[in-house]
Amino acid sequence: KAGVTQTPRYLIKTRGQQVTLSCSPISGHRSVSWYQQTPGQGLQFLFEYFSETQRNKGNFPGRFSGRQFSNSRSEMNVSTLELGDSALYLCASSRSTGLVNEQFFGPGTRLTVL
Amino acid sequence: AQSVAQPEDQVNVAEGNPLTVKCTYSVSGNPYLFWYVQYPNRGLQFLLKYITGDNLVKGSYGFEAEFNKSQTSFHLKKPSALVSDSALYFCAAPRGTYGGSQGNLIFGKGTKLSVKP
Repeated sequence: KAGVTQTPRYLIKTRGQQVTLSCSPISGHRSVSWYQQTPGQGLQFLFEYFSETQRNKGNFPGRFSGRQFSNSRSEMNVSTLELGDSALYLCASSRSTGLVNEQFFGPGTRLTVL
Repeated sequence: AQSVAQPEDQVNVAEGNPLTVKCTYSVSGNPYLFWYVQYPNRGLQFLLKYITGDNLVKGSYGFEAEFNKSQTSFHLKKPSALVSDSALYFCAAPRGTYGGSQGNLIFGKGTKLSVKP
């Protein structure tokens, strides 16, 4: 069974630009979550989607947005990039939104903002 | 508010020795707790979880974790460490207690495990 895939793996952008990251969950998984990982803040939850609906959102500005498609694939978008947006962005999928379902993570997209 | 804490930034162990990576939690309701491992330039991998029942949970790669309700701890353990166990370890719990979703995980800050030959 293929794992969670994320594209691209690496991105370099400049301040003010926007970026779109893509995530394909494990087949059959309907829940997709996004996390930002930085050395200073650690792992922080961005948002979660289930059946094309945003179920939860973390404490991030409106520049961060996402969506989920009918095939459960998800994208996240960051507009007006800032230097502080440089991070590893991780996508995770799980079968459903139950509290006891473990999440499966992709390899991440490393975003560097210059 | 739910929270998990990992009191050690780094743990150093000699190969073949037992290892422990500590985690304490503060959650309301039933605690559901997870351990994940992250190797360099990789995403997180699920190791094990505690839901209910036996306080000793066995997971992947020979790891196990001991749930202790009185001490609100969920320490990760392995009887004999390998050099290949060197990685970043995260303790996590769902942010929601009921009606919430699994996706909304809160993580500890991570503990870097270094196993020397």
